Amino acid sequence: GNSVTQMEGPVTLSEEAFLTINCTYTATGYPSLFWYVQYPGEGLQLLLKATKADDKGSNKGFEATYRKETTSFHLEKGSVQVSDSAVYFCALSLINAGGTSYGKLTFGQGTILTVHP
Amino acid sequence: GAVVSQHPSRVICKSGTSVKIECRSLDFQATTMFWYRQFPKQSLMLMATSNEGSKATYEQGVEKDKFLINHASLTLSTLTVTSAHPEDSSFYICSARDPGSGYTFGSGTRLTVV
Repeated sequence: GNSVTQMEGPVTLSEEAFLTINCTYTATGYPSLFWYVQYPGEGLQLLLKATKADDKGSNKGFEATYRKETTSFHLEKGSVQVSDSAVYFCALSLINAGGTSYGKLTFGQGTILTVHP
Repeated sequence: GAVVSQHPSRVICKSGTSVKIECRSLDFQATTMFWYRQFPKQSLMLMATSNEGSKATYEQGVEKDKFLINHASLTLSTLTVTSAHPEDSSFYICSARDPGSGYTFGSGTRLTVV
């Protein structure tokens, strides 16, 4: 079956530190990969995505590269801010044969990030 | 971008009553919506997939008579928690499959059953 494994948290960093949150996956087909962010008491927001091997997703200073050879999609940011404090979820979905429709998302367990001033 | 509106954001109800949660796609048509449940400090658990005009597909272990899902239009799906009990207290989140980023999530509903 499909599964996503994230590094265990919580992760606590000082402002301007470098961030890495590891994510690896197993999938029966060719998944699309996502990172979502959840702020306290809110739903999920798409942070970035990649749909094929070697694609790099990026947004708001965050980056992740789809590595098929290592089945990984690690999230990185060079300099975190206090406002980045949130829960981060790695997820995958399989698209249909025509590449036009996504199936359901499979989530990792989430990683709590806290950034101190 | 695509927006999904979820209401109410929080609700407190008495044990034994039913609660309806609405999920609306505001600027796109959503033939498929998903309902998740999230426990404190845990990941999202998919409860069911809601398809417009047809019966929802429930995940294993989710009681379909307990969690009623209706997707009567291309912009609205509802989740009704029937005969709610304290163990149903949780954070419920909907999402819709959209043509752009793939999925757009609602802001969630905090249900507390007393």
